[in-house]
Amino acid sequence: SAVISQKPSRDICQRGTSLTIQCQVDSQVTMMFWYRQQPGQSLTLIATANQGSEATYESGFVIDKFPISRPNLTFSTLTVSNMSPEDSSIYLCSVSYRVNYGYTFGSGTRLTVV
Amino acid sequence: EDKVVQSPLSLVVHEGDTVTLNCSYEVTNFRSLLWYKQEKKAPTFLFMLTSSGIEKKSGRLSSILDKKELFSILNITATQTGDSAVYLCAPNRDDKIIFGKGTRLHILP
Repeated sequence: SAVISQKPSRDICQRGTSLTIQCQVDSQVTMMFWYRQQPGQSLTLIATANQGSEATYESGFVIDKFPISRPNLTFSTLTVSNMSPEDSSIYLCSVSYRVNYGYTFGSGTRLTVV
Repeated sequence: EDKVVQSPLSLVVHEGDTVTLNCSYEVTNFRSLLWYKQEKKAPTFLFMLTSSGIEKKSGRLSSILDKKELFSILNITATQTGDSAVYLCAPNRDDKIIFGKGTRLHILP
C-alpha cells in the first residue's frame, strides 16, 4: 500500500488566516481525496483532487473556501481559507491506486482555529 | 440520499469477550465496503469486501458482506485492550468512500 506523508501534523491558527496542508505519496496514484473530521464526528469527503484539472467538490464544500491543487500523480495540497473556529477539525488525505482498490490515509492534520 | 448506519454507536466489554459490529448501507453505484480502525487521527485499513457471503479474516477479526440485505458485520473474538478504538464502515460509492458515524469500542481489562 502507499506511504503518505501529510504536513503539518497539527497547527493552531488565527481566525481570518489560511493554512495549506500538503500530501506527498511515495508512488503515483490515480485517485486522491481530502476529508474533514470535525470533533466527535465521522469523516466527511470534501473533494476529489484531479491531476491536471480542477478538483471535484462534494455538496456543501466550495473551491473558494477549500482550494485544492494536484500538480502531479504524487502530490496534492488543500488550503483552508479565511478560517473560523468552525474549521477546527482533523483534515486527512486519502489515496487509491485504482478503481475499487484499497484506500490509504495520511496521518492527518489537526487544525485548531482561535 | 446515501445512508450508512452503524450500530451500536458505543460498546463497552471486558477483555476476552467477542463483539459484533453492524453496518447497514444504502448507496448508489455501490462497488465495495471497507472497514477501518481509527485510534488517533488516521484510519487504518482492515478489510475490503466486494462479494456477498465470503468471510474475510485477519487474526481475531473477521468480516462478511450481504449485498442483498445491504449489510455487513465485523466480528472481533477474544478482545484485547488494544482493540479499543472507533471502527468505521465505509461503502465505496462511485469510487469514493463515505463513512458511517462509527462504533466506539472500549475494552475493559
